[in-house]
Amino acid sequence: QKEVEQNSGPLSVPEGAIASLNCTYSDRGSQSFFWYRQYSGKSPELIMFIYSNGDKEDGRFTAQLNKASQYVSLLIRDSQPSDSATYLCAVKEGGATNKLIFGTGTLLAVQP
Amino acid sequence: NAGVTQTPKFQVLKTGQSMTLQCAQDMNHNSMYWYRQDPGMGLRLIYYSASEGTTDKGEVPNGYNVSRLNKREFSLRLESAAPSQTSVYFCASSEPSGSRTDTQYFGPGTRLTVL
Repeated sequence: QKEVEQNSGPLSVPEGAIASLNCTYSDRGSQSFFWYRQYSGKSPELIMFIYSNGDKEDGRFTAQLNKASQYVSLLIRDSQPSDSATYLCAVKEGGATNKLIFGTGTLLAVQP
Repeated sequence: NAGVTQTPKFQVLKTGQSMTLQCAQDMNHNSMYWYRQDPGMGLRLIYYSASEGTTDKGEVPNGYNVSRLNKREFSLRLESAAPSQTSVYFCASSEPSGSRTDTQYFGPGTRLTVL
């Protein structure tokens, strides 16, 4: 059974701090990794994807990937109350399939 | 460009009733998906369609059927609803297969309650 694990939280950080969200996965054949943000009562929306080892930055967001450790993380700098949401880690299955396996998500609460 | 649309937004059924959830996308995507989301369970794939004319089971297909009507539309049918099917249902679509950066885009969801 291919799995994606996330700490369910809630992760509480003060406004302006760095929020660090972590994800581990079991399928060594996975090549692509996605972070989605989901506000309460809304649908998931893509924040960013990463497929190469190392860091990828987009504005206040940085995704980090370590395939050897089967670990992917998302850093949010200068956290804002509007960042309060559930963050879903998704891993594309290895092989030709387009299927994603989702973690259960981490609830982030940014305190003003 | 509306992206992925779903109807209805809300639905209440009685046990044993049937219904079809509709999904359409206008992004010319080949692949489409149906998920359900339950508290503490994350998003679980019910069925998917890699391309027009093909459908495959996902992680939790029991109690559901799907139809890929054409490239734009992918419907999910509950033949005899059960309380265990109370959930939020999301449809998604993705760019053509083969790219590492294939991204799934989600519709607004359908909140279904089965009494």
